[in-house]
Amino acid sequence: AQSVTQLDSHVSVSEGTPVLLRCNYSSSYSPSLFWYVQHPNKGLQLLLKYTSAATLVKGINGFEAEFKKSETSFHLTKPSAHMSDAAEYFCVVSDREYGGATNKLIFGTGTLLAVQP
Amino acid sequence: DTGVSQNPRHKITKRGQNVTFRCDPISEHNRLYWYRQTLGQGPEFLTYFQNEAQLEKSRLLSDRFSAERPKGSFSTLEIQRTEQGDSAMYLCASSSSGTYGYTFGSGTRLTVV
Repeated sequence: AQSVTQLDSHVSVSEGTPVLLRCNYSSSYSPSLFWYVQHPNKGLQLLLKYTSAATLVKGINGFEAEFKKSETSFHLTKPSAHMSDAAEYFCVVSDREYGGATNKLIFGTGTLLAVQP
Repeated sequence: DTGVSQNPRHKITKRGQNVTFRCDPISEHNRLYWYRQTLGQGPEFLTYFQNEAQLEKSRLLSDRFSAERPKGSFSTLEIQRTEQGDSAMYLCASSSSGTYGYTFGSGTRLTVV
C-alpha cells in the first residue's frame, strides 16, 4: 500500500531564508507524488507534481521538489521564504490505477510552515 | 469555469439530524471525489465516482453516509443520524481520466453539536 510520512509537523523559518519540508514515501510501484498547500480557510492548491518524468520538479511560487528513489524521499524546498508562504503543506501519493491514471490521493499528516519577519 | 463549488460552506447541526452537502465539479471533469479532513490531519479519502458510477468507497464511509452523482455532474453527500465524530471539513475534488492532480473545492465545514 502507498503511504507518505511528513517528518516535521511544524517548521519555522525567517523571511528570506530557505525552506525545507521533508517527505518520505512508500510505494509498491513507481509513484505519482504531489505537494499541496492549504492556507487558512481556503481550499487545497496543487504546488507541484512528480509523474515519472524529470526528478527535479518545479512548481508555483518558487517551490520545487526532488524525487530521490534511493532515499524514497520527495522533499519540498524554496530558496527564500516569503510571509505569504505561511500555510499547511501536504505531501501526497496517488493510489495509481494500472495504466497510469490517478485514483485516490493519500495525504500525509501535514507540515505547518510559520514564517517569521 | 469557476472551479469546484461546494455548498454550504458551513453547517451546524444537532446530533441525530441528517445533513446533505452538494458539490459541483468542473464541468468537463468526469471524476469526482469526496474527502474528509479532521482538525490537524490530512484529508482522508471517502469515495470516488467516474461519471455516475460510484467505483470505490472507503471503510470510513459507514452505512450512515451515502453519496450520489445521478447524472454524472453534481454530487451529494448525505450523513444520516449525525454524530459528534462526524464534525470535520468535507472536501470535494474533480479531475479528468488520465490526468494527474485534482482541483479541490473550498469544502463544507460540518459542526455537530
